[in-house]
Parts: sequence; C-alpha cells; structure tokens
Amino acid sequence: GAGVSQSPSNKVTEKGKDVELRCDPISGHTALYWYRQSLGQGLEFLIYFQGNSAPDKSGLPSDRFSAERTGGSVSTLTIQRTQQEDSAVYLCASSLRRGSYEQYFGPGTRLTVT
Amino acid sequence: DAKTTQPNSMESNEEEPVHLPCNHSTISGTDYIHWYRQLPSQGPEYVIHGLTSNVNNRMASLAIAEDRKSSTLILHRATLRDAAVYYCILGRGEGGTSYGKLTFGQGTILTVHP
Repeated sequence: GAGVSQSPSNKVTEKGKDVELRCDPISGHTALYWYRQSLGQGLEFLIYFQGNSAPDKSGLPSDRFSAERTGGSVSTLTIQRTQQEDSAVYLCASSLRRGSYEQYFGPGTRLTVT
Repeated sequence: DAKTTQPNSMESNEEEPVHLPCNHSTISGTDYIHWYRQLPSQGPEYVIHGLTSNVNNRMASLAIAEDRKSSTLILHRATLRDAAVYYCILGRGEGGTSYGKLTFGQGTILTVHP
C-alpha cells in the first residue's frame, strides 16, 4: 500500500522567505509526527498530532515554526522568515494509534536556506 | 529520560550474522526497546521492538538481557542492503511527557562488505 509521502522532495529558499512543507500520512493512521534531521543536531522531534486532540508542540525550536493538520489527514509544516540554521531534512511519520513507537516515515523534504 | 549507548560503527561481511549491541542501564519498567534503521538518503525504518522477552520478525531478532539493561539486534544473514545507521531507542510508557516521541541518538553505522 501507499506509504507516507512528502512534498516537495527538495526546496531551496532565500533567507527570510516563508516555506510550506506537506505530508500525506498513511490512510487510517491517526497519529502524525514531524521530525527534522540536520548535521549538527541529528534527528529531533518537532511536533505530534493525534486525532482531534491539541498537538504536542514541545519540540518546535521557535515561534517561526508552526504546523497544522486538516481533516485528520494531510499536514503542513510552515517555517516563517527562514534562517540558514533551518536547513535540514524534514521528516514526517505516521502511526496507527496514539503513542505508538512503530512509526512509518516518509522520504523527507530537504530544505536549503541560502 | 533514559539514554542508550551504542558503538559508533561496526562492520560485517555479507551472508554473516551481525549482532548490534545497545546499553540502556537506566531503563525503567515501562520502557519498550525499539530499533530503527536508516538507509542512505531515506527516512528511518522501523525494525523491531520488545519489552522483556526476545522477539523475532521477518527483518531481525531482538535479544533482551534478563535485567533489561542491554539488548542486541541480530541480523541473521547480513546483505548489502542492510548497510545503514541502526538506532536503539527507548519508548516511554503511556503517561510520560515523552510518550510517543522517538528520541534518536547517534546510532551505529553498519558497513557490510561483499
């Protein structure tokens, strides 16, 4: 079946611009996660959605980062006024139920801020 | 949160078994042990998880020490496709603030020689 998909696969943007990254989770998965992977920080958790509950935003590095999940399915991660330190691979994952550590990852979006 | 310790790198020959160790001496009673791997240029991939008993699936086996302070991921016959970074992650039980969030360390880089 279809896995987690993310778009775009690559994004190059100028410092100060806003970017939107999209994630389509596996159909029927109720939990959705965003992580990012950078050379300096490894793989880190950003935000977690579960059904209609308020998202866990504890991993977002600053208020320039926000995310939403519409209709319990597709999610968009928005980074405003991008900085060079935002350059990383942004990974989305989904799981069948809340709290599951069996998470299925997408291929990621490579963001480069110039 | 409990931490895990893994060797930075390991090497194996194709068709031979590989034993990837992980120490987690501060594990709590409700922590599950999870293994993920990340192939080059891909998102992480779930491999296996367990609590107390040894576990087997189509990808690998997980051997958990009786005191649960260490575990070993076993690839029975390594292939070139198994070359990846392997992450050992503790998943906190329900109710904890880190519930459901994967915390990745540096992992073990596995090199498989033909």
